[in-house]
Amino acid sequence: DIQMTQSPSTLSASVGERVTITCRASQSISAWLAWYQHKPGKAPKLLIYKASSLESGVPSRFSGSGSGTDFTLTISSLQPDDFATYYCQQYYSYSQTFGQGTRVEVK
Amino acid sequence: QVQLQESGPGLVRPSETLTLTCTVSGYSVSRAYYWGWVRQPPGKGLEWIGNIYHTGSTYLSPSLKSRVTISLDTSKNQFSLKLSSVTAADTAVYYCARPIVATTPGWYFDLWGRGTLVTVSS
Repeated sequence: DIQMTQSPSTLSASVGERVTITCRASQSISAWLAWYQHKPGKAPKLLIYKASSLESGVPSRFSGSGSGTDFTLTISSLQPDDFATYYCQQYYSYSQTFGQGTRVEVK
Repeated sequence: QVQLQESGPGLVRPSETLTLTCTVSGYSVSRAYYWGWVRQPPGKGLEWIGNIYHTGSTYLSPSLKSRVTISLDTSKNQFSLKLSSVTAADTAVYYCARPIVATTPGWYFDLWGRGTLVTVSS
């Protein structure tokens, strides 16, 4: 299976800060990568697909970039509603796999 | 607005079969799309279990394939997961979700339920 490694595992930030989360694949996945936001007790929410395509209804402060093995999710100006855990997922292979998650917490 | 809601027992005995149901509102499961299951053991990452197409064709994780059955109940607009011979390692939050296919063999998921915790314990 393709391994997905996210960093950092926890990120402390303040409202208004620019936040960047990294996801690395164990082999090239082209741009077949999605990002999700998950809050406790809530349904995970799709933010980005195909590495940089913003899902409908997702605020434009979220952006994704990268291809091959290295990807980033950027929140341009962190808002109170953005404190959550973020996961990347590759869907290049049949056995799609997820990263371990990055928790964004209040600094 | 399409919504997914998981239901089922929160406790399953070891060696028994775990059965969960996902009720879909706002869209007919027989009309189109794939429908799927993902789980997250405590303290671990998300793991894909399998998907079912609206025609009834199933696509299962190779690591779980021997124990997993996914089916549609179009009369109730639901799809179900059965996982047999469970052990403590199957303790997890189970999510139903809607997989979206790209041109690759894999899927990403554009809609999710809130998840339901299933504990395997005697």
